[in-house]
Amino acid sequence: ETGVTQTPRHLVMGMTNKKSLKCEQHLGHNAMYWYKQSAKKPLELMFVYNFKEQTENNSVPSRFSPECPNSSHLFLHLHTLQPEDSALYLCASSRGFEGGQETQYFGPGTRLLVL
Amino acid sequence: AQTVTQSQPEMSVQEAETVTLSCTYDTSESDYYLFWYKQPPSRQMILVIRQEAYKQQNATENRFSVNFQKAAKSFSLKISDSQLGDAAMYFCAYRETSYDKVIFGPGTSLSVIP
Repeated sequence: ETGVTQTPRHLVMGMTNKKSLKCEQHLGHNAMYWYKQSAKKPLELMFVYNFKEQTENNSVPSRFSPECPNSSHLFLHLHTLQPEDSALYLCASSRGFEGGQETQYFGPGTRLLVL
Repeated sequence: AQTVTQSQPEMSVQEAETVTLSCTYDTSESDYYLFWYKQPPSRQMILVIRQEAYKQQNATENRFSVNFQKAAKSFSLKISDSQLGDAAMYFCAYRETSYDKVIFGPGTSLSVIP
């Protein structure tokens, strides 16, 4: 247990569906991240939030829509996805842009399959 | 742009033996952080060890230690007394001190042979 939880752990959806991934951290951190991990590819950073403000959008298609209502919760809203969006989606949190030692703690991930 | 390279896609080690995983990175910064993360089959990404670039002393965590060569931009991970539970993907990662973005290498898949 790293103090970061993600739900659901597995998700199968059609290309016309709308679904949301949820991430919650219990570490008192101020920054949260979404990563995409596809087979045989490095982790891809998607979004970064610091103190609920989005500070990074790594050229992610608009069919992925993040939401960060507070420092403990992060959502990824999905709509009209493509089969190539099938991947493991990892959430992470950290103390944020404060300098000093900085480590990201990861959730267990959501395995997404788009049919 | 910063990059992280792991030149060994797969490695194997006999149980109780020692193995070293390689990582090189490219940066023009002088102050940054380096990490090794482990991702077992359960897919949970777990921090193994962390190194601050301004520290010359190599980080150590129990059976895990690093060989940090700043001039060579090399950051290898040594696992001593390998155990079956060490079997996983290992990712080397880099982060600047002034920029909240971590760059991950492609990973090395480590198998432990009983």
